[in-house]
Amino acid sequence: KNEVEQSPQNLTAQEGEFITINCSYSVGISALHWLQQHPGGGIVSLFMLSSGKKKHGRLIATINIQEKHSSLHITASHPRDSAVYICAAPSNFGNEKLTFGTGTRLTIIP
Amino acid sequence: DAGVTQSPTHLIKTRGQQVTLRCSPISGHKSVSWYQQVLGQGPQFIFQYYEKEERGRGNFPDRFSARQFPNYSSELNVNALLLGDSALYLCASIMVGGSYEQYFGPGTRLTVT
Repeated sequence: KNEVEQSPQNLTAQEGEFITINCSYSVGISALHWLQQHPGGGIVSLFMLSSGKKKHGRLIATINIQEKHSSLHITASHPRDSAVYICAAPSNFGNEKLTFGTGTRLTIIP
Repeated sequence: DAGVTQSPTHLIKTRGQQVTLRCSPISGHKSVSWYQQVLGQGPQFIFQYYEKEERGRGNFPDRFSARQFPNYSSELNVNALLLGDSALYLCASIMVGGSYEQYFGPGTRLTVT
């Protein structure tokens, strides 16, 4: 069993739809990262959160530390949101070592 | 303010050769982590360095080594390259003691033929 699991692996939606990507983890953590990776390979950090909810534009991330579960939501999705979204949890080793999920490939169709 | 930089961006090597990848962290960040991302998979932790000392190592063979310099830049070395070493190598810069948010470089795509 992977320490960090994401679902779904692939998601295709129409422009404007509300998107939810889920992440469950088994490692003990103090915070969880949501990252975005475009086809070119570069990774952008979207959120790091340790409790509750964070919002940035159309992106919302929530986390439940007790249930070891986090969700990333995208409102009013747009084709430019098409990317791979990855959740990553710091290991018990420390905050600097991240264990990554395998990612969710999101495709938004115009 | 420059972000994390990595060089080279692309590299093609043949089996058995050696390669050195470079990373410069964000100014003020003293910690660097290296990750390997094989096509279709999530990144895997290779090394973490803080203040020029190795603080962590992932499950990689001894062919992989790294070091950090006094200016906090870092090099990742891979000896005796195998086809399976073909991957995107990512460097992340971290402000230890701060938010621990990781800032990723653009990566170096290594192809071993």
